[in-house]
Amino acid sequence: NAGVTQTPKFQVLKTGQSMTLQCAQDMNHNSMYWYRQDPGMGLRLIYYSASEGTTDKGEVPNGYNVSRLNKREFSLRLESAAPSQTSVYFCATHRGSSYEQYFGPGTRLTVT
Amino acid sequence: AQSVTQLDSQVPVFEEAPVELRCNYSSSVSVYLFWYVQYPNQGLQLLLKYLSGSTLVKGINGFEAEFNKSQTSFHLRKPSVHISDTAEYFCAVSEGGADGLTFGKGTHLIIQP
Repeated sequence: NAGVTQTPKFQVLKTGQSMTLQCAQDMNHNSMYWYRQDPGMGLRLIYYSASEGTTDKGEVPNGYNVSRLNKREFSLRLESAAPSQTSVYFCATHRGSSYEQYFGPGTRLTVT
Repeated sequence: AQSVTQLDSQVPVFEEAPVELRCNYSSSVSVYLFWYVQYPNQGLQLLLKYLSGSTLVKGINGFEAEFNKSQTSFHLRKPSVHISDTAEYFCAVSEGGADGLTFGKGTHLIIQP
């Protein structure tokens, strides 16, 4: 089992460009999440999907959109990237019965 | 809404010495508590969790944590650290449900030889 996979691992964008971060899981979990990690800030929730077909905003949703394509896949889109979106992005899934989350390896995004 | 405070951004410790990383939380309801570890350039890995029952929780790599409801704390401890424990440690809280974890800002554990 691969667990939670994310693509790409690294990306450099220019201000105003768009891109989609991909996340897939083979754990058959219902809930999926996108976090961003910035130095000294911990992880902050961007969007989440409690189940297939639903999405909700987290703490820092501005500048992002998400799509829950099916139970396995949850993508994060930056329509017009800004330098403030330079960060490491983590996808996670939620094991409902124990509330713990399983994290992917992350995508390191730099916006110049 | 819940919140998590990790009181130390960095903790330097000599190898084989004991360590305690502090975590306090704020919530109006019952919570579930977690400690995650992040090694350099990697994702987050669960160290241990408190859901209910015994307030002393044991995790991987010799770590343990104690839930103290009256002090709203969930401090992480290890009796003897190794160089390989150098990492960032995050405390997190959930009020249940599927709306994500709230993380502290992290504590960087630095092991000195």
